[in-house]
Amino acid sequence: GDSVTQMEGPVTLSEEAFLTINCTYTATGYPSLFWYVQYPGEGLQLLLKATKADDKGSNKGFEATYRKETTSFHLEKGSVQVSDSAVYFCALRPTSGSARQLTFGSGTQLTVLP
Amino acid sequence: NAGVMQNPRHLVRRRGQEARLRCSPMKGHSHVYWYRQLPEEGLKFMVYLQKENIIDESGMPKERFSAEFPKEGPSILRIQQVVRGDSAAYFCASSPEQGEAFFGQGTRLTVV
Repeated sequence: GDSVTQMEGPVTLSEEAFLTINCTYTATGYPSLFWYVQYPGEGLQLLLKATKADDKGSNKGFEATYRKETTSFHLEKGSVQVSDSAVYFCALRPTSGSARQLTFGSGTQLTVLP
Repeated sequence: NAGVMQNPRHLVRRRGQEARLRCSPMKGHSHVYWYRQLPEEGLKFMVYLQKENIIDESGMPKERFSAEFPKEGPSILRIQQVVRGDSAAYFCASSPEQGEAFFGQGTRLTVV
């Protein structure tokens, strides 16, 4: 079945540091790929997405590129802020068949220190 | 347009009681999904519903758990005879026919 593997956390960075959170996936066909962010005590918010190979999703300074050859969708940000502290989830959704639900990675806790 | 509304936000139940979790999808959304998040883990899919139909319940435990999405009213996730292992955050998401899913803030169930 489909699966998502994320870099294990927790990750602790100083403000303005560069961030990379690795994500690889296993799926049949060509799924859509997502990054969600969860702030403490809250639900998940969609951060960015990509629906086909070589697409780059971006939002709030975060970027991720859909790499079919390496089945990866790594999240990056050039300069993190304290307010970026949260849990980040990589996810995929099939684009064929009747399945529409998301398959999530285990999440990566990010803490940014001032 | 209000977001996905879940209630209650927090629910405490004694072992053996029933838990009912409610989810009102966003206006115009006809697809509802339930996920469970155990402590320190990611979200696991439970069930996917459309109005009056269960489309995929492959993630639902075989016993004690049920879900519905009636023609009128919210979607309900029902857990009978709760046990300590049911303690988790339960998230609902909704989506339109085509488009992305939006998540509610979750219901945190504690079984004591």
